[in-house]
Amino acid sequence: EVQLVESGGGLVQPGGSLRLSCAVSGFTFSSYWVSWVRRAPGKGLERVATLNRDGSEKYYVDSVKGRFTISRDNAENSLSLQMNSLRAEDSAVYYCARVQGNYGLMDVWGQGTTVTVSS
Amino acid sequence: ELVLTQSPATLSLSPGERATVACRASQSVSSQLGWYQQKPGQAPRLLIYDASNRATGIPARFSGSGSGTDFTLTISSLESEDFAVYYCQHRGTFGGGTKVEIK
Repeated sequence: EVQLVESGGGLVQPGGSLRLSCAVSGFTFSSYWVSWVRRAPGKGLERVATLNRDGSEKYYVDSVKGRFTISRDNAENSLSLQMNSLRAEDSAVYYCARVQGNYGLMDVWGQGTTVTVSS
Repeated sequence: ELVLTQSPATLSLSPGERATVACRASQSVSSQLGWYQQKPGQAPRLLIYDASNRATGIPARFSGSGSGTDFTLTISSLESEDFAVYYCQHRGTFGGGTKVEIK
């Protein structure tokens, strides 16, 4: 069964850091691009970051550039999102997703992990 | 920068009715458009890819059409489990979402 399982969410103070992880199983992880997507309370979906198969190409939404880092370990079948200098507006449910095709289609999603940035 | 504009923001319909959600792109995306469904407390689910192809396991009442800049997601006859939020997507851009709610 194809599965993505996120972990690492929680409550953090503004300016703090958090590292999200996504454990992948059921498919050849190294063959796919992957993304992190978030949904803030009352808002729509927002693609946060995308990473290519070998980790050499990274794309970020402008609001997280310089603060978030996406990475992967193909040997461990895992994806990470290091989030620094967190702000209240980063509060959201964060999903990891497998990317298919050549326009970022996300065909398999994790169940999500909640990040709350608050003092 | 690509912008995807969905309309309407909210659609109030009864079970059995037809739902039509529009997505307009600020520049041509050819047929490279996906549609997703998200229910409360759940992850998004891919419904439609390449503008008009149903993803695996998606019921036939869901259909997509369009190319270039104008796209449509149609649910031919709403069932209770279809009341949710729907998003279109191309590359790193999502539309703002359309909530299909029970009238």
